[in-house]
Amino acid sequence: QVVLTQSPSASASLGASVKLTCTLSSGHYNYAIAWHQQQPEKGPRYLMKLDSDGSQVKADGIPDRFSGSTSGAERYLIISSLQSEDEADYYCQTWGTGVVFGGGTKLTVL
Amino acid sequence: QVQLQESGPGLVKPSQSLSLTCTVSNGSISSGDYYWSWVRQSPGKGLEWIGYIYYSGNSFYDSSLRSRVIISLDTSNNQFSLRMRSVTAADTAVYYCARGEWAIDVWGKGTTVTVSS
Repeated sequence: QVVLTQSPSASASLGASVKLTCTLSSGHYNYAIAWHQQQPEKGPRYLMKLDSDGSQVKADGIPDRFSGSTSGAERYLIISSLQSEDEADYYCQTWGTGVVFGGGTKLTVL
Repeated sequence: QVQLQESGPGLVKPSQSLSLTCTVSNGSISSGDYYWSWVRQSPGKGLEWIGYIYYSGNSFYDSSLRSRVIISLDTSNNQFSLRMRSVTAADTAVYYCARGEWAIDVWGKGTTVTVSS
């Protein structure tokens, strides 16, 4: 069964960029993932799909500041020009024997 | 845009059953492209997938919850439902319904369920 690993926390300054990482377990490096954002006291919001070749499909209305990239087992969510509203929990998700979530990364905007 | 809305009791007594419904609007639950899932989030914790149902009625559940959960489809009302039996305080959570092909691309706003006597 595929496992997704995320760092519990990350931080970056207002206006800066940050790269969040989602790591696929061994033997599953060709898996695509999706990224979801959960702002405080809100439900999750789908951001984008990110394939193993780096191709991405973003949800409608997601700013260009959000992008994804891929390197081997790693799937990245890059947020540039950080804004206060980007402070949120970010989850990666894939499909194994059902839906699989990473543990989430809490992003703090300083 | 497809929208999902959860509904159901906010308070359930221990050992009883939890029942929630997700109403799908601006789209058909009978579309063959999507899986319809339930996901929950316990206080201060991450997202936990419960299970999904396909338009054909086939369902699949997380192994840790499989013995207590049933997800069903009501195509006439464009709804799908979650029933979880023998609940305990550990089942206190925000419950979300969601849609996806493999990636979840639409989420409901969530409904809070508290298990308490």
